[in-house]
Amino acid sequence: DTGVSQDPRHKITKRGQNVTFRCDPISEHNRLYWYRQTLGQGPEFLTYFQNEAQLEKSRLLSDRFSAERPKGSFSTLEIQRTEQGDSAMYLCASSHSQDTQYFGPGTRLTVL
Amino acid sequence: GESVGLHLPTLSVQEGDNSIINCAYSNSASDYFIWYKQESGKGPQFIIDIRSNMDKRQGQRVTVLLNKTVKHLSLQIAATQPGDSAVYFCAEMGAASYDKVIFGPGTSLSVIP
Repeated sequence: DTGVSQDPRHKITKRGQNVTFRCDPISEHNRLYWYRQTLGQGPEFLTYFQNEAQLEKSRLLSDRFSAERPKGSFSTLEIQRTEQGDSAMYLCASSHSQDTQYFGPGTRLTVL
Repeated sequence: GESVGLHLPTLSVQEGDNSIINCAYSNSASDYFIWYKQESGKGPQFIIDIRSNMDKRQGQRVTVLLNKTVKHLSLQIAATQPGDSAVYFCAEMGAASYDKVIFGPGTSLSVIP
């Protein structure tokens, strides 16, 4: 499968715990994006990388959120001290430069 | 500001009929439009795109129409099938930047067998 993959697909955690999600982009894509989607809404942009450089962060990305793409390939998104309001689907997408973005299946986070 | 929105939140069509999903956008600087399909529990799937220098683009069973005068685009699905049941998002790039996709709220399409 040469699409975008995400792991885990589902995560249930207790409030206050830290969680980390992984995204593996399409191999030849130099850009990687993170979005968040709540029920009934469209995805909202969080941040993106071009190669290993994080070029933009949304105001939605609070200080508890951090994303990395250390080798310009896979990326991780960590949420520290999770809150119930963090419950959402976290989507990763990749693209070649500013071309069409292709999305992964998402990680559904539930914070109890 | 920028926004991309949809006229109708839900649409039900009979299998075999054609479906039309509409979308309005507010920023005339929007330059690139994309339709995504999202099935339950899955990520958005690219369907078709169109740039602002075009009025119409066709794919396999899908057609996107762009009317820049009234800032409106539509997705037409021919011979709708049960597998077309999903939420459809129109999205745009270019009004603010080409570095992020701005999604509208989505239209839920239900196909009646």
